[in-house]
Amino acid sequence: DTEVTQTPKHLVMGMTNKKSLKCEQHMGHRAMYWYKQKAKKPPELMFVYSYEKLSINESVPSRFSPECPNSSLLNLHLHALQPEDSALYLCASSQAGGSNTEAFFGQGTRLTVV
Amino acid sequence: AQSVTQLDSQVPVFEEAPVELRCNYSSSVSVYLFWYVQYPNQGLQLLLKYLSGSTLVKGINGFEAEFNKSQTSFHLRKPSVHISDTAEYFCAVSDPWASKIIFGSGTRLSIRP
Repeated sequence: DTEVTQTPKHLVMGMTNKKSLKCEQHMGHRAMYWYKQKAKKPPELMFVYSYEKLSINESVPSRFSPECPNSSLLNLHLHALQPEDSALYLCASSQAGGSNTEAFFGQGTRLTVV
Repeated sequence: AQSVTQLDSQVPVFEEAPVELRCNYSSSVSVYLFWYVQYPNQGLQLLLKYLSGSTLVKGINGFEAEFNKSQTSFHLRKPSVHISDTAEYFCAVSDPWASKIIFGSGTRLSIRP
C-alpha cells in the first residue's frame, strides 16, 4: 500500500466555520507534511511532523493548527480562514531520513473559503 | 538552505518529439533530487529520484534525468513525448534527513498533436 489518503476531497467553508482536513498513510512513514498549493504555483511547505512531533512550522498563521494523533494520521484544523486561504492542500509522507526519502502525496483537499 | 530553479515556465513540444525540462539547484550540503508530475486536479506523483550513485536516473513513463554536480543541474528528458505527458512538472530537493522537500516553480509541458 503506497497510498496517502486525504479527506474530504472538496470543502467549502465560511470564514466563521471550524473544519478539519484529514490525512492517513499505512506505509510506516514517520515524517508527514502539509503543503498548500495555489493555482499555477508550486506546493509550499506549511508543516512537518517527524516521529509525531512538530519539527517545522513555516511561519503559518495560527488559524491553521496541525495535529498528529499517531504515526498514521495527520490532521489540519481550520478556523476563521480568509478567502485567500482557498487552495489545494496536499498531505505527504516519507521515511524520516535514511536512504529513501521520497515523499508520497495524497490527491489533496480543494478548499474554498467563502 | 536548499533552493531549486526551473528555468522554463512552459515548454510546448510536438507529439513524438524529444523534450528536456531544466532544473538547477543550490545547496551547501549534499542533496536528494526529485522530479514530480502533477496532472490537472490531482496530487503529485514521483517520476524519478537521485539519492546517490549513478548520475543517470531512469524513472516511470520513459523519463530519465541526469545529475550533474559541477553544473548543479538535474534536467529531465524524454526521447519521445505523448499527448498523455501533458502536465505540470516539478523539480524538488531535500536534505538527506528529509526535514524539508522544496519545490521549484514548475514547468508546464504542453504537447501538440
